[in-house]
Amino acid sequence: DTEVTQTPKHLVMGMTNKKSLKCEQHMGHRAMYWYKQKAKKPPELMFVYSYEKLSINESVPSRFSPECPNSSLLNLHLHALQPEDSALYLCASSGSDTQYFGPGTRLTVL
Amino acid sequence: QKEVEQNSGPLSVPEGAIASLNCTYSDRGSQSFFWYRQYSGKSPELIMFIYSNGDKEDGRFTAQLNKASQYVSLLIRDSQPSDSATYLCAVKGYNNNDMRFGAGTRLTVKP
Repeated sequence: DTEVTQTPKHLVMGMTNKKSLKCEQHMGHRAMYWYKQKAKKPPELMFVYSYEKLSINESVPSRFSPECPNSSLLNLHLHALQPEDSALYLCASSGSDTQYFGPGTRLTVL
Repeated sequence: QKEVEQNSGPLSVPEGAIASLNCTYSDRGSQSFFWYRQYSGKSPELIMFIYSNGDKEDGRFTAQLNKASQYVSLLIRDSQPSDSATYLCAVKGYNNNDMRFGAGTRLTVKP
């Protein structure tokens, strides 16, 4: 089983809202990732957690706040987003080299 | 110079033909190479991975790696309209979690 789940599938929020994206995997993977993908562009790495610790933060604005409560869960807290933050947000996990992606959350910021 | 480069296409091939997708990378320390397929509006799906020089075959797909030339390719034999998608090349270094993606090549297989 190589399933990564993400909720919600779609999210519409205003610029003053606070919302969270959730990601879960039960493959025992020790690395989890958040990517942002705009239309017709490749996934852009945002954060990497390795063994529940933040190991990579690609200079992401502080309005995006990641959290890894345990080895199976990854959250992305959103606050005061801008319309240009509208994108597909992808979670991925990996046990060794290979990354498996979740279905993504389509975020629209009004 | 971009770290991972792909021809953005679109690449159009007739049904039943061989589609050839190419990727070059700049970091000679790269160790692991991946091809993902992404349908419009969907998330990337792993197609192949390759670590060693040479060819690796899986069904209609063959990945080819040439580390000396810093080149990796994906061949799709007997292309089907359902293969129409964007193909992302991704590269990882040794013992790190940082995967770098190319811009993707959009493939269209015409019936």
